[in-house]
Amino acid sequence: GAVVSQHPSWVICKSGTSVKIECRSLDFQATTMFWYRQFPKQSLMLMATSNEGSKATYEQGVEKDKFLINHASLTLSTLTVTSAHPEDSSFYICSASERRGADTQYFGPGTRLTVL
Amino acid sequence: AQSVTQLDSQVPVFEEAPVELRCNYSSSVSVYLFWYVQYPNQGLQLLLKYLSGSTLVKGINGFEAEFNKSQTSFHLRKPSVHISDTAEYFCAVSDRSGFQKLVFGTGTRLLVSP
Repeated sequence: GAVVSQHPSWVICKSGTSVKIECRSLDFQATTMFWYRQFPKQSLMLMATSNEGSKATYEQGVEKDKFLINHASLTLSTLTVTSAHPEDSSFYICSASERRGADTQYFGPGTRLTVL
Repeated sequence: AQSVTQLDSQVPVFEEAPVELRCNYSSSVSVYLFWYVQYPNQGLQLLLKYLSGSTLVKGINGFEAEFNKSQTSFHLRKPSVHISDTAEYFCAVSDRSGFQKLVFGTGTRLLVSP
């Protein structure tokens, strides 16, 4: 149980294009989803927290107009990297919890984004 | 705000030897504590968590951790490691209110050699 999937697992795009990453909870309803970014050999940094049906809450320093997050249903959240640049290349990981304030997050397998 | 310190960036160990990965945290409020494992190019898998109760927590794959409130530590241990335990290990904390956002340490790479 508590499986989270991400699609695609890896993507390569040209600079200036937009890329959408999907995060799905497969066997539970995720009231809250989180998006993290991980640079090579570094820890995970929280980018934003989203609740189903409401706007995402972004962490300090994260550009909300660049990283668009939509949490339209209880099983799907999307992260769109708009006008991607090489510095946006990273490993993006989502996680989900069953309810606000749940003590455990379940992580997706991650999406490797490479911007040329 | 919380912070997590994993002092050891890399821990080399021989197969079947015991290992301890250190984690210290700082917080002005009560926290939940977690250990996650990450294999190359994969997401994170929960090893174990401390929410309340017994300070010795047992997790998957033979790992255990002990919560020490006075030392603000949550060290991870395994009595006998396998080659397959080679991975990155992250300690994390979250507060007990609100969205319980996770704050991660910088990770410890466990390298198990034959």
